[in-house]
Amino acid sequence: AQSVAQPEDQVNVAEGNPLTVKCTYSVSGNPYLFWYVQYPNRGLQFLLKYITGDNLVKGSYGFEAEFNKSQTSFHLKKPSALVSDSALYFCAVRDIRDNQGGKLIFGQGTELSVKP
Amino acid sequence: DGGITQSPKYLFRKEGQNVTLSCEQNLNHDAMYWYRQDPGQGLRLIYYSQIVNDFQKGDIAEGYSVSREKKESFPLTVTSAQKNPTAFYLCASSRAGTRSADTQYFGPGTRLTVL
Repeated sequence: AQSVAQPEDQVNVAEGNPLTVKCTYSVSGNPYLFWYVQYPNRGLQFLLKYITGDNLVKGSYGFEAEFNKSQTSFHLKKPSALVSDSALYFCAVRDIRDNQGGKLIFGQGTELSVKP
Repeated sequence: DGGITQSPKYLFRKEGQNVTLSCEQNLNHDAMYWYRQDPGQGLRLIYYSQIVNDFQKGDIAEGYSVSREKKESFPLTVTSAQKNPTAFYLCASSRAGTRSADTQYFGPGTRLTVL
């Protein structure tokens, strides 16, 4: 069965420091992996995705993520955090052999708090 | 939130009432989805549709119904059979569905509260 784990409910970072939000996944085949961000009472905004190729994926707002097949991880990173990065972050996975209409499996979310 | 609109933003339902949540997209996407978000549980798939006049149950379809009469529209009805409907409901769409790497784009959501 497909699953996604975000092991940290909350991550606290000082502004200007690097940030990492962790994600591990489990699929039977090869994965498509996604990161989304959600601000309070808003929908999810797409940040980046991994399909194939280069393991380092660059996305919106200076975020990047590294796909590690051996560790089944797809951690989200940013070199220098901003207070405005404070939000709820979701990792999601889809098995490329999925025949369920493109269904995404989401992690439970990680609350990122960046303090000045 | 792109070209996906959801209405209303807030909805209050009395016990025993059916309510319908609207989702419209102008992205010319074939696939549309409804997710439910509860605190600390991530998003769970309710229903999805890959093409007009066809839809499939997701993981938590009980107590919900949908229709897909137009490509642009995918309304969700929360029936009185749904025992715990208070949640944040998110609609999404993507260019294609099955076996696709296409990104799902989300609407702004509807917060449903049962009184």
